[in-house]
Amino acid sequence: LAKTTQPISMDSYEGQEVNITCSHNNIATNDYITWYQQFPSQGPRFIIQGYKTKVTNEVASLFIPADRKSSTLSLPRVSLSDTAVYYCLVGDEGRGNLIFGKGTKLSVKP
Amino acid sequence: DADVTQTPRNRITKTGKRIMLECSQTKGHDRMYWYRQDPGLGLRLIYYSFDVKDINKGEISDGYSVSRQAQAKFSLSLESAIPNQTALYFCATSPGIRYGTSGRSTDTQYFGPGTRLTVL
Repeated sequence: LAKTTQPISMDSYEGQEVNITCSHNNIATNDYITWYQQFPSQGPRFIIQGYKTKVTNEVASLFIPADRKSSTLSLPRVSLSDTAVYYCLVGDEGRGNLIFGKGTKLSVKP
Repeated sequence: DADVTQTPRNRITKTGKRIMLECSQTKGHDRMYWYRQDPGLGLRLIYYSFDVKDINKGEISDGYSVSRQAQAKFSLSLESAIPNQTALYFCATSPGIRYGTSGRSTDTQYFGPGTRLTVL
């Protein structure tokens, strides 16, 4: 099973761009890369998903290099409400074996 | 997500008791999952079900059992609870494989609000 490594915590200030990088050296050919956001005492919430290059939606961008051994979640102009834990997952969801890992705790300060 | 509900939301029990956590969804999804979350350890998959007749063990299934009573209901049981099963439990659902423009399969999980279980 693919494993991921991401920083345990990050600090930022309101209005800044935040980039969280995840490494996944053993990613398989069919694996997608997915990011979730979790607030305290709530279930994780899907943010963005990609397979290669760049994906952008209304809340974030995901950058994936050609070798797909890492990915970077980019949050533009963060606010206090972006304080949460962010999880990077890789896996073939067709097998139902996603590994969440420990996540990155992002703290946004005023 | 209000479409995925879990009961109870909080439960305190004693060692050796049988406990059932229930999950219901109105999203019409075929796939359902049970995770537990411990402080500093992220989420770990306990069991998952791709349909009513397809149930699979996850990363940490020992000490747990599940029942998929219907497409919309997936229950997690602790036959004899022990203190190290104290955790936050999440149920999730997903619609199943969809094929994107790349031709690769993809799926997205939607989580319930969680059940906080304490075993004394």
